Amino acid sequence: DAKTTQPPSMDCAEGRAANLPCNHSTISGNEYVYWYRQIHSQGPQYIIHGLKNNETNEMASLIITEDRKSSTLILPHATLRDTAVYYCIVRVVNNAGNMLTFGGGTRLMVKP
Amino acid sequence: DTGVSQDPRHKITKRGQNVTFRCDPISEHNRLYWYRQTLGQGPEFLTYFQNEAQLEKSRLLSDRFSAERPKGSFSTLEIQRTEQGDSAMYLCASSLIWNNSPLHFGNGTRLTVT
Repeated sequence: DAKTTQPPSMDCAEGRAANLPCNHSTISGNEYVYWYRQIHSQGPQYIIHGLKNNETNEMASLIITEDRKSSTLILPHATLRDTAVYYCIVRVVNNAGNMLTFGGGTRLMVKP
Repeated sequence: DTGVSQDPRHKITKRGQNVTFRCDPISEHNRLYWYRQTLGQGPEFLTYFQNEAQLEKSRLLSDRFSAERPKGSFSTLEIQRTEQGDSAMYLCASSLIWNNSPLHFGNGTRLTVT
């Protein structure tokens, strides 16, 4: 699976959009981009995933650049409860085991 | 609640003792995964099951570790002769069998070996 690069930490004001970048310049055509987050003392929580097109669900939006070498997770109106470590993961489409390889993630601090 | 359940949430044991953790996956999920997470690091894959078959094991899973999923439902992870380096959060996750189905994680068992 391709490697990802994320900033180690970011701050965001409560109520503002949080834009979390991820670089995956070695991504292959058959690799998805997944985002998970982990709130302190809890297990990772699935947020969203995509292959080529931008995706949106009730939690967030995922914007993938046309060359697929980077993506941005957008939390439209961040709340204090969104304070967490956010992991960007790429994984091959036909990964038989569905395993995920986590990196260091971005520690997002939402401030009042 | 129909999420992934892990028991116990916390376990403190002395070095050399054996410990066993339990994971109950989401009921319709065929796949079950174990991960380990140390402080400040992302989770690391240990092993996974499809139904009752253990299909892959990481090199992190030493001979002292054994996992079972006897009836394809709940799973146990046993660590024999615990060492201080085994102190970590042990996370269980489950997913549907379809490729690219997201993994759903439990809240983990935090092991402290003294």
